[in-house]
Amino acid sequence: QKEVEQDPGPLSVPEGAIVSLNCTYSNSAFQYFMWYRQYSRKGPELLMYTYSSGNKEDGRFTAQVDKSSKYISLFIRDSQPSDSATYLCAMSADAGGTSYGKLTFGQGTILTVHP
Amino acid sequence: DAGVTQSPTHLIKTRGQQVTLRCSPKSGHDTVSWYQQALGQGPQFIFQYYEEEERQRGNFPDRFSGHQFPNYSSELNVNALLLGDSALYLCASSFLVNTEAFFGQGTRLTVV
Repeated sequence: QKEVEQDPGPLSVPEGAIVSLNCTYSNSAFQYFMWYRQYSRKGPELLMYTYSSGNKEDGRFTAQVDKSSKYISLFIRDSQPSDSATYLCAMSADAGGTSYGKLTFGQGTILTVHP
Repeated sequence: DAGVTQSPTHLIKTRGQQVTLRCSPKSGHDTVSWYQQALGQGPQFIFQYYEEEERQRGNFPDRFSGHQFPNYSSELNVNALLLGDSALYLCASSFLVNTEAFFGQGTRLTVV
């Protein structure tokens, strides 16, 4: 079993839709949770960075972390064609943990927003 | 402010050869990590350098080695290349051994 599971999709939505992307994980030591966006043939771009449980909002993006369920989500409101990309979740442990400073990624979800 | 820069962007090598990839971290960052991303997969952690020392290593063979220089830039070396080493190699930098990491555009390595 992989430490981080992410549905690879692909996910196709109309412009303006609310998109929900999710990851589950098994390592209870994970404390830092990130979402990256990766366009084709480019490096990942950091979208959201959160510590422990809770919600964080940044413009059209909202990240949620539920540590009790080992489940994280990224919501994209008013999706645009320019949001079409692969979305990667990533996690790391706290200082002192064996995974501190090392990011463990999900497989990535391919999202297409069509006009 | 320059972000993380990697060179070269593309590279074709023959099986058995050796390759060196280079990375300059984002200004103000002192920690560099390397990842391998196969097509359709998430990046896999190779190793991390801080204060010119390898601090953590992922599940990669000794054919993969690295170095960090006093100016915080880094190199990834791969010896005895295999066809399976074909991938996008990503460099990420951060301040201290931190998880808020920023990635470069990657080096696409093709082994033939």
